[in-house]
Amino acid sequence: DTAVSQTPKYLVTQMGNDKSIKCEQNLGHDTMYWYKQDSKKFLKIMFSYNNKELIINETVPNRFSPKSPDKAHLNLHINSLELGDSAVYFCASSHGRDSTQYFGPGTRLTVT
Amino acid sequence: QKEVEQNSGPLSVPEGAIASLNCTYSDRVSQSFFWYRQYSGKSPELIMSIYSNGDKEDGRFTAQLNKASQYVSLLIRDSQPSDSATYLCAVEGGSYIPTFGRGTSLIVHP
Repeated sequence: DTAVSQTPKYLVTQMGNDKSIKCEQNLGHDTMYWYKQDSKKFLKIMFSYNNKELIINETVPNRFSPKSPDKAHLNLHINSLELGDSAVYFCASSHGRDSTQYFGPGTRLTVT
Repeated sequence: QKEVEQNSGPLSVPEGAIASLNCTYSDRVSQSFFWYRQYSGKSPELIMSIYSNGDKEDGRFTAQLNKASQYVSLLIRDSQPSDSATYLCAVEGGSYIPTFGRGTSLIVHP
């Protein structure tokens, strides 16, 4: 069974569109995250979500919004996509703070 | 601004040698430290975690933490070609916002 899954694996879209990436974890973890990894492989956290508490990295544009229907899911919505949004987006989960993160396989987003 | 610094490499070592990967961090209140390995095109996976000063060993891997110097390292003994990957240092200070370094590319050549 996949511990952390993401869909889709690849996403190609045009500038200005709105898209969503879904994430699900079956580990029973209480904290989930979204990361962006750019072309230079720099992994940067965007959001963490713990027991309905959202912590936002202040550098993330408000075009990005996480939505969590329940503890096992954390989806990422992106409005008005820009070329600079092209990257690999990783979802991750952990049990509480300061603990090991388990990453999903990633979603490669390409904005044309 | 919390920062985690790593030499981007590549670090090239012969098979069987010891690979030494280093990481420094800026936030003195950091409490948890992690090393992740990421193969090209794959997601990061945990190698080691360390929370207190000193050494922690797990098989061929040893993590070393010195909070006074704000320094954490990863030693890989008997390096294998399969260890060739990017190694990411991550630091967390209890804020739910982990900070990752840019990673060090390791190449183990036969």
